[in-house]
Amino acid sequence: DAKTTQPPSMDCAEGRAANLPCNHSTISGNEYVYWYRQIHSQGPQYIIHGLKNNETNEMASLIITEDRKSSTLILPHATLRDTAVYYCIVRVANAGKSTFGDGTTLTVKP
Amino acid sequence: DAGVIQSPRHEVTEMGQEVTLRCKPISGHNSLFWYRQTMMRGLELLIYFNNNVPIDDSGMPEDRFSAKMPNASFSTLKIQPSEPRDSAVYFCASSFQGGLANNEQFFGPGTRLTVL
Repeated sequence: DAKTTQPPSMDCAEGRAANLPCNHSTISGNEYVYWYRQIHSQGPQYIIHGLKNNETNEMASLIITEDRKSSTLILPHATLRDTAVYYCIVRVANAGKSTFGDGTTLTVKP
Repeated sequence: DAGVIQSPRHEVTEMGQEVTLRCKPISGHNSLFWYRQTMMRGLELLIYFNNNVPIDDSGMPEDRFSAKMPNASFSTLKIQPSEPRDSAVYFCASSFQGGLANNEQFFGPGTRLTVL
């Protein structure tokens, strides 16, 4: 699986958009970008994934650059409950294992 | 569906004792994963099963750790004998792999293990 690089921490004001970057410059053509988050004391939770097109669901949007070497997770209107560690993972679909790095600790402030 | 179920939620034991953690995956899922999380090492994959068969156990720390999946609805992670450095939160996750499924993993609430 390709290695990812994320900033260790970020702050965001409540109600504003949170933009979480991820670098994955060694991503292979058949590897997807997955995002999970982990709220304190809970198990990680799937957010969204994509291959090369931008994706949106009820939780977030995923923007993948044209060269696929980086991506951004966007929480359009962050709330205090979005405070969590956000993990960016790249892996082949149907590959089974996922390697979680250190993630980004997002703190949403009132 | 109740989601991934893990038991016990908390376990406190003494060094040298055997510890058994249990997991019931989501019905219909064919892959199951055991992770360990500590402050120092983060979230580490210990082992994963596909169709009840262990596929990758390279993350299992040592022979004291063993995992089984006797059927599609149950898995155990056993530590024997336990040591203080095994203290961590152990997560079980399941997913469906195959076809056009996105393979998202659903995590259980975890078991917090403390070895004294």
